[in-house]
Formats: sequence, structure tokens, C-alpha cells
Amino acid sequence: LAKTTQPISMDSYEGQEVNITCSHNNIATNDYITWYQQFPSQGPRFIIQGYKTKVTNEVASLFIPADRKSSTLSLPRVSLSDTAVYYCLVGDFLYGNNRLAFGKGNQVVVIP
Amino acid sequence: SQTIHQWPATLVQPVGSPLSLECTVEGTSNPNLYWYRQAAGRGLQLLFYSVGIGQISSEVPQNLSASRPQDRQFILSSKKLLLSDSGFYLCAWSSGLAEYEQFFGPGTRLTVL
Repeated sequence: LAKTTQPISMDSYEGQEVNITCSHNNIATNDYITWYQQFPSQGPRFIIQGYKTKVTNEVASLFIPADRKSSTLSLPRVSLSDTAVYYCLVGDFLYGNNRLAFGKGNQVVVIP
Repeated sequence: SQTIHQWPATLVQPVGSPLSLECTVEGTSNPNLYWYRQAAGRGLQLLFYSVGIGQISSEVPQNLSASRPQDRQFILSSKKLLLSDSGFYLCAWSSGLAEYEQFFGPGTRLTVL
């Protein structure tokens, strides 16, 4: 599984757009980029997955440049409840290769 | 809809005692099942995963074991707990067609004293 690098923590003000970055320089051709969110004392929750360019759902947008060596998760107009750890994962995830490798993630704190 | 249950929610056990954590999934068939552990201040570590009844793969050597006696039941066990076994244990499931999207249970907070 490709290794990912994320900032340890970041702060953001309520109501702002938050962009959370992830580096994955050795991403393979078949790898997808997946993001999870974890609140304290809860299990992670899937947010979004993408392969290239831009993916958007009701929760977030994922931006992936052409070289795919990094990705940015964008959360629009965050609220205090968006304070959580955000994990970036990269992997093939095809049948038989189903091991998600969670790092320490990026602790995002939303400030009033 | 699918739901995943874990129990107990919290557990305090002495060193050397046995452990049994149970996880069950409802609303789906033949799920992939996973056990993770999260130690304080650390990321999630995959301990075991299973793609079917009786099929268990271990990711790290340890004094823990897992079993899947039924399609939607996953059990994590230990014969003798160590202090280092303390942590937050999470069970998760995924479908065979979308393994990147795992659904996690509420977790068990285990403290070994």
C-alpha cells in the first residue's frame, strides 16, 4: 500500500472552507485515494473516494492533480461538529487486497 | 439497512485474564469483517480480517486471535491479556464489491490493569 503523509494538525474557523492535504508520492496506477473522518471515541466514517481530477458528494470535494502524487479534501463552510481526525488512504482495494492502512491522520480543530 | 454491533462498550480487565469481544452485523450477507485496534494517540492498526466463515487473516503477531463462527459474527479473543493490549477496539465490515468503504462499529474501550 502506498504511504501517505499528512499534517499532524490544523485549525480552522467556523464557517470557512477547509482544505486538508495529503501526499502520496509513490501512488501506483491502480491505486485509489480514500478519505475517512473519525470523531473521538467513534470508528472512522467513509467520506469520499477518487482516482483523478475532482470528485464531489454531499459532504466534501476531493481534488486530485494530474500526477496523482497528492490530494486535497475540501470541506465547505465547516462547523464545530467537523472537528475530527481526517485520514487519507491510498490503495488498490481490489478483491483480495482489502487492507486499509490508517496512519495517524490530520487532527482538524474548528474554532468558533 | 445494515447495522453493526459491538459489545461490551467498555471493559476493564486484569493482566493475565482472558478476553472475548463480539461483533455482529445485520442487514447484509457474506460481509468482509475486520478487527482494528487504536492505542492512545495512534492510528488504527488492522489486527484481523475475514472474507468468510472460518477464514481469518492475521496482520500482526500478537497474543490475540479471531474467529468467525457464523457469517455475520466476528469474535476477538485472548487467553491472557497484556498491559499493551489496552486500547480502543473497532470492528468493521465491508461488502466484497466495495472494500474501500468500511463501516465501523461503536467500539470497545479496553483497559488492562
